[in-house]
Formats: sequence, C-alpha cells, structure tokens
Amino acid sequence: DGGITQSPKYLFRKEGQNVTLSCEQNLNHDAMYWYRQDPGQGLRLIYYSQIVNDFQKGDIAEGYSVSREKKESFPLTVTSAQKNPTAFYLCASTIPGRGMDQPQHFGDGTRLSIL
Amino acid sequence: GESVGLHLPTLSVQEGDNSIINCAYSNSASDYFIWYKQESGKGPQFIIDIRSNMDKRQGQRVTVLLNKTVKHLSLQIAATQPGDSAVYFCAEKNSGNTPLVFGKGTRLSVIA
Repeated sequence: DGGITQSPKYLFRKEGQNVTLSCEQNLNHDAMYWYRQDPGQGLRLIYYSQIVNDFQKGDIAEGYSVSREKKESFPLTVTSAQKNPTAFYLCASTIPGRGMDQPQHFGDGTRLSIL
Repeated sequence: GESVGLHLPTLSVQEGDNSIINCAYSNSASDYFIWYKQESGKGPQFIIDIRSNMDKRQGQRVTVLLNKTVKHLSLQIAATQPGDSAVYFCAEKNSGNTPLVFGKGTRLSVIA
C-alpha cells in the first residue's frame, strides 16, 4: 500500500539533546512537509521541500532542521535550540500543483515529549 | 467556526442529523480549499476539496460550499454517524507551489 510512514510513534527527549523524526513516503510525491500541532491547535508549518536537495522554512522553523537527500525521505531534526519541543509532529506529501492543486497526504504523526 | 485562544469550538450533533462546519478563510487570493478530518492520535485525513471556480462540490455524504464574496467555506455532513466524531480542519492555498494554510479546527461530537 502506498502511504507515508512516520517513526517512531512516540519519542522522548532529554533537555539539551537533538532528536530526529523520520518520514518516508512511497507515493512518488515530489513535495514533502513538516507540521507541528499543539493540543487544541491547528497545524503550523515548520519546513517544506518541493524537490530533492531543496527546502524552505515555514512559519516556525527556528530550532528545527531538515534534509532532503532522497525523494522518499524528509527527516526532521528537533535541535536543543527548540525550547518548547513537546508537540505532535506531522509529515505530509503531495504532487506540487501544475495548474491543478492536489491535496496533501499525511502520516500518523510522532508525539515528542521532554523527559 | 474558527477558534479563539486555545479551545477548539465544538459542534454537538445528534446521530442521524446533518452537521454543518464553518470556516472563514483569510486570503482573497486563495483558489484551492480542502477539508480534513483528524481523529485522536492520527494524521489528518482528506475529505473533500474545491477549487475557486466552483461554489459547491459533493462527495459521499459530504458537501463543501464556497462563498468567495465573504471568504467562507462550509462542510455539510449528511446523516451524521458516531464515526464522524473528530476534529475537522479547513485549509486554503493560492495558486503555485505555496503550502496549505490550515484553520484551527472544529471538534464534531456525535451524540448517539
């Protein structure tokens, strides 16, 4: 089945540590996205990538970093500079619009907590 | 409707009734709109989309209405079922390779 896989489902971080969240898709989508969701809130864009080896900051990129070395993979690193990292992190992908927009497809998220 | 502060607006509906969830979008240049359903602990699931050259689109038990004059989007769910209980988000984008912008969501609670 084609889809987006995020791992792990739950992740714990000690203060001062960097952690990396995995996102893999086999949908052959060019564009991938990372969102952060806090309780009772909507989705806020962290980073996105329209094509391999290229990515752009979203609205809340500070304290995060990404890489896009392969089309299938878009890992997100939450660095120690992110002072409030506890949240639900969602990865999404889509075919970028070529005159006809397409919906984003989402993984089932990673919940990150601080120990 | 749109949330204010940290609390999601909640819509409570009797099972079998129709539900209407509203969304006010912000960008008059937006030309593509999506509704997503999010169940607890899961990622958002695509429900239906609409482009700005339409004002209504129907799916299975769902209808999306778009009023560009007042920048308003609504999702109608017919014969609401307990499985429809979730948080519903609207999202908008303008043309080109720009990301979606999400609203803050509405929680739908179905009373059996």
